[in-house]
Amino acid sequence: QVQLLQSGAEVKKPGASVKVSCKASGYTFSSYYMHWVRQSPGQGLEWVGIINPTGGTTVYAQKFQGRVTMTRDTSTSTVYMDLSSLRSEDTAVYYCAKSKDGFNPRFGMDVWGQGTPVTVS
Amino acid sequence: EIVLTQSPGTLSLSPGETATLSCRASQSISSRYLVWYQQKPGQAPRPLIFGASSRATGIPDRFSGSGSGTDFTLTISRLEPEDFAVYYCQQYGDSLLTFGGGTKVEIK
Repeated sequence: QVQLLQSGAEVKKPGASVKVSCKASGYTFSSYYMHWVRQSPGQGLEWVGIINPTGGTTVYAQKFQGRVTMTRDTSTSTVYMDLSSLRSEDTAVYYCAKSKDGFNPRFGMDVWGQGTPVTVS
Repeated sequence: EIVLTQSPGTLSLSPGETATLSCRASQSISSRYLVWYQQKPGQAPRPLIFGASSRATGIPDRFSGSGSGTDFTLTISRLEPEDFAVYYCQQYGDSLLTFGGGTKVEIK
């Protein structure tokens, strides 16, 4: 079955960077966009950005531009999200989520990873 | 940026009752790109409804979605104990994806 397995919890100091991985299985990795979404403690969902695993093209939410980098490794079916210049407000659970449609990422996300807690302190 | 406003913030209901959740967009959006998710504490969100009205795989028919333009509704009929959770709407337009602030459905 389709699964997204994320890396484990991270604790970082302010100003540092964090890199979260998301390994996909059970489907053709390069055929579906991958989103990243975060959720601060007790808060709602916030979109970070999206990567096209085929060409590696990305779109980032304006709030994160300049601090976030999304990459992929097609040989291991893994996508990565790197967030730099961390501050306490970046403390959150970070999720990867597969796009529902292979050609159009606008139809939503049908499979989510288990989440990676990132604590900045 | 398209803002999605969900109401009410919290809905207190008893099992067996019907929940009606609203999601209002700051400008007209394509219903094709309106999605509803359910999230329980400590879990990742789960998709419920795609394209405003199509249930995701495995979602029971007591969940239904409707709406167009700027006004969308998620209806949960005959609430079951496992339906008490937080619900989010989401849209993706002009290369920017946004979520509503969520509606918590709690046991009265």
